[in-house]
Amino acid sequence: KNQVEQSPQSLIILEGKNCTLQCNYTVSPFSNLRWYKQDTGRGPVSLTIMTFSENTKSNGRYTATLDADTKQSSLHITASQLSDSASYICVVTPNDYKLSFGAGTTVTVRA
Amino acid sequence: KAGVTQTPRYLIKTRGQQVTLSCSPISGHRSVSWYQQTPGQGLQFLFEYFSETQRNKGNFPGRFSGRQFSNSRSEMNVSTLELGDSALYLCASSLGEGEETQYFGPGTRLLVL
Repeated sequence: KNQVEQSPQSLIILEGKNCTLQCNYTVSPFSNLRWYKQDTGRGPVSLTIMTFSENTKSNGRYTATLDADTKQSSLHITASQLSDSASYICVVTPNDYKLSFGAGTTVTVRA
Repeated sequence: KAGVTQTPRYLIKTRGQQVTLSCSPISGHRSVSWYQQTPGQGLQFLFEYFSETQRNKGNFPGRFSGRQFSNSRSEMNVSTLELGDSALYLCASSLGEGEETQYFGPGTRLLVL
């Protein structure tokens, strides 16, 4: 069973709207949790990194939250743009550094 | 600074052959990690090299191996290729000193026929 579960698997939103992606994990203890954005045909690009003691981290229109008690993280995209169409991957780094990746959420932004 | 580069970008091999992929990290980065990405399994960690030593390893068979050179460039080798090895192979570099960001290359897309 994957230790990092992301939902939804995919979503479609209209340009300018907001959306929230979910990441539930069972990896424990962990060193950090990261969100990556991966455009089609390209390598992932880091959006945010949070240690277990951080609750929120922002990067422009992207805001990640972390609740270590419930083992949940979310990535909120504000005022979506067409360029936000991509796959968003949640990655948890346990203390032994054997990274656990979520399957990703595919976001499609339509004009 | 130049980003992470990977060569070749695309590769077609047949079953039983072997393949070597190359990754050049960002200048100054000492850690290089390799990942396999497939539609069904998502991103999976292969191994990480730091200062020419394998520091961490994922759960892949011994057919997958790698090495890192003194200039931090890294190579990954897959022997006795299987159809299931068809995937996008990504490498990522980082300073290697803690919680810093990993920067990914564009990947090498391998197709095994």
